[in-house]
Amino acid sequence: GQQLNQSPQSMFIQEGEDVSMNCTSSSIFNTWLWYKQDPGEGPVLLIALYKAGELTSNGRLTAQFGITRKDSFLNISASIPSDVGIYFCAGQLETSYDKVIFGPGTSLSVIP
Amino acid sequence: NAGVTQTPKFRILKIGQSMTLQCTQDMNHNYMYWYRQDPGMGLKLIYYSVGAGITDKGEVPNGYNVSRSTTEDFPLRLELAAPSQTSVYFCASSYALIRVNQPQHFGDGTRLSIL
Repeated sequence: GQQLNQSPQSMFIQEGEDVSMNCTSSSIFNTWLWYKQDPGEGPVLLIALYKAGELTSNGRLTAQFGITRKDSFLNISASIPSDVGIYFCAGQLETSYDKVIFGPGTSLSVIP
Repeated sequence: NAGVTQTPKFRILKIGQSMTLQCTQDMNHNYMYWYRQDPGMGLKLIYYSVGAGITDKGEVPNGYNVSRSTTEDFPLRLELAAPSQTSVYFCASSYALIRVNQPQHFGDGTRLSIL
């Protein structure tokens, strides 16, 4: 079936460090989405990507839509304690764009 | 300005019982989704709907049923609750193509335990 893989599974970093995480799949996606989830809440959309090669920023966050359309990465620069949470990639498949499928998440911990 | 509303927030069921998780949205979104999130895991798509009267299976539909009689409501039904269905259930809605200024809106979740 369609699956998204995220790496790393978890990260522990010092405040101020940059963070990089990625998402890969064997399927082709039309849209890549990056969400953040805080404990006890639903996911919140951070960045949406629509075209292969697209590079988009949202404050300290930058994400790119891979040229193969099978991967995406998210970078967070100068991390701060409120960046703590679980980051999910998600996507809308080329073959079934009505569905939004989520990856397993990357858990980020920021040490002050 | 309610967005996506899920009820109940918490529920404990016995094995074999049935229940309906309610989801309603007031944003006139055509697309609605049900996900489950197991501890430490990502969201798995159960069912989704692209409009009233239209539903389709997601990644993990077994043991669940849905209906979409109105644009606003998208209830999820468990007919015979099993321990494997213990999870947090999220309902979401969106326009057809998710954009930053038209995101997929999530409810606060329903925490369901089957004992």
